[in-house]
Amino acid sequence: DAKTTQPTSMDCAEGRAANLPCNHSTISGNEYVYWYRQIHSQGPQYIIHGLKNNETNEMASLIITEDRKSSTLILPHATLRDTAVYYCIGSGRPGSSNTGKLIFGQGTTLQVKP
Amino acid sequence: DAGVIQSPRHEVTEMGQEVTLRCKPISGHNSLFWYRQTMMRGLELLIYFNNNVPIDDSGMPEDRFSAKMPNASFSTLKIQPSEPRDSAVYFCASSLKPLAGVGNYGYTFGSGTRLTVV
Repeated sequence: DAKTTQPTSMDCAEGRAANLPCNHSTISGNEYVYWYRQIHSQGPQYIIHGLKNNETNEMASLIITEDRKSSTLILPHATLRDTAVYYCIGSGRPGSSNTGKLIFGQGTTLQVKP
Repeated sequence: DAGVIQSPRHEVTEMGQEVTLRCKPISGHNSLFWYRQTMMRGLELLIYFNNNVPIDDSGMPEDRFSAKMPNASFSTLKIQPSEPRDSAVYFCASSLKPLAGVGNYGYTFGSGTRLTVV
């Protein structure tokens, strides 16, 4: 199962793009990459997920490298309300004991500053 | 849609007492997950159900913890007896189906229950 590695913390200026990296060099071929965020004292919130192709929704864009060993979550115009802990998670290699479970790591604390 | 509903929002209890946390998943979702979050250990998956059946309870810390899902719209997490080290925020989440490596469904989390055992 993919172990993900993220920086502990990052800062971003309000209105600028926030680019959050994630390394998942051991990800298997059909294991998805999920991104969640957790704003202080709230439950985690789903942002986006992807397999091979880049994805975009109303919240963010997900760029996955061609070798799938890393990805970047992009918040195009960060606001103060985007300050949160961002988690990058592999969905679990099919057939493994972690299939069907989201296992959260420590994530990246993003601080958006005025 | 009201989302995943957890109750109570806050619970303060004395050591040794029984504590029951409740969760109502989103209607139509058939997978339910219980997580615990502490500063030291982060978010830990305790147990998850699929179609009301417990699939994996390997994260349940001790026999003092038990979880049930009597029907598709209700689940409980019980701690008996409670201890101060059980103090944490407990989250319930539901999804349309479990992630299976080819899943296209994320989880929806509730607002959590903050448990304090004194």
